[in-house]
Amino acid sequence: GIQVEQSPPDLILQEGANSTLRCNFSDSVNNLQWFHQNPWGQLINLFYIPSGTKQNGRLSATTVATERYSLLYISSSQTTDSGVYFCAGSQNSGGSNYKLTFGKGTLLTVNP
Amino acid sequence: EAQVTQNPRYLITVTGKKLTVTCSQNMNHEYMSWYRQDPGLGLRQIYYSMNVEVTDKGDVPEGYKVSRKEKRNFPLILESPSPNQTSLYFCASSLNANRGQGIYNEQFFGPGTRLTVL
Repeated sequence: GIQVEQSPPDLILQEGANSTLRCNFSDSVNNLQWFHQNPWGQLINLFYIPSGTKQNGRLSATTVATERYSLLYISSSQTTDSGVYFCAGSQNSGGSNYKLTFGKGTLLTVNP
Repeated sequence: EAQVTQNPRYLITVTGKKLTVTCSQNMNHEYMSWYRQDPGLGLRQIYYSMNVEVTDKGDVPEGYKVSRKEKRNFPLILESPSPNQTSLYFCASSLNANRGQGIYNEQFFGPGTRLTVL
């Protein structure tokens, strides 16, 4: 199966700062998603981004599928952005199992 | 509101007492899946279902059962829970529609079920 590597593993920011989170894949993925896991454990969909660039408010994401990586940008960070950010990808495997393989996550702490 | 729901959200039980965690989605999704999340191990797939009456094992199926009798529901059954099944469980679903290049299968996750087996 594919391997997913996220960096950095931990990140501490002051409110208002910008940051970039990276996700590398060991193989091509057909479906790539970014999630935010909040302090209550819920996985919130941020982006479904197999390729290209998307923006949603202060967040944006870019996936370069040919180079097997994706970036998540957080601008003007707020304390509510704290939590763990996961990227995950799946392949159209022979058994048609669209299992998402997750990275280990980036723990983001935004201090006031 | 389009969503995936799970019940219960929290459960403390004892070894050997059968339990069922329900999962339901209202988006007419074909694909449904169960994951468990454990510290240091991340999220791992337990079982998945491509459609009604079609289920298959994921990476860690031992000790679990599933069924898919209706499109919207995908319950997870622990016939004889053990302490090593203490975990945070997530149900997920996706449409699996063919949209141009490849299969569109953005997955949506339920709120999670925290299970403790004593």
